Amino acid sequence: QKEVEQNSGPLSVPEGAIASLNCTYSDRGSQSFFWYRQYSGKSPELIMSIYSNGDKEDGRFTAQLNKASQYVSLLIRDSQPSDSATYLCAVPGYSSASKIIFGSGTRLSIRP
Amino acid sequence: KAGVTQTPRYLIKTRGQQVTLSCSPISGHRSVSWYQQTPGQGLQFLFEYFSETQRNKGNFPGRFSGRQFSNSRSEMNVSTLELGDSALYLCASSLMDGDRDEQYFGPGTRLTVT
Repeated sequence: QKEVEQNSGPLSVPEGAIASLNCTYSDRGSQSFFWYRQYSGKSPELIMSIYSNGDKEDGRFTAQLNKASQYVSLLIRDSQPSDSATYLCAVPGYSSASKIIFGSGTRLSIRP
Repeated sequence: KAGVTQTPRYLIKTRGQQVTLSCSPISGHRSVSWYQQTPGQGLQFLFEYFSETQRNKGNFPGRFSGRQFSNSRSEMNVSTLELGDSALYLCASSLMDGDRDEQYFGPGTRLTVT
């Protein structure tokens, strides 16, 4: 059974600091990784996709992938109160049992 | 380009009733997946449809069913509702781009069963 593990948090970070969110996955064959942001009461929003080892930057967000260690992380620079949300890590399911497997999410709180 | 739309947004039903939820994918997206999200269980995969065929199915009872139409719009149906079916039901669409299949979610339908 493929698994995606995240620290549930809450992770509290001061405004302006770097927030670091981590995710580990069990299947070495996973090739694609996605980060979703979900505000309370809203649906998940895709914010980053990463397919190759290394870093991928998009604005204040940087996704880091290390396939050898089977972890993927999301860094948020210059954290803003609007970044307070739950962040979900996801990988494709590669089976008929699930289209995509989500971690349980990390709650991030940016304190002023 | 318009995003994924879901109707209705909110629904209150009584135990034993049935409900039908609708999802219109992003234009050009042919894959539609459904998820159930509850505070205790997180995001759970229900099923995926592509070209009017169910491709994948999660571990849910047969009371949960779905279908997809030729225009890629999809519906899911829950029969004989139970209190535990109260949840946010999310639809996501994608292009079906192999491993790099990015899913985009609709706003969801919040179902309350009383």
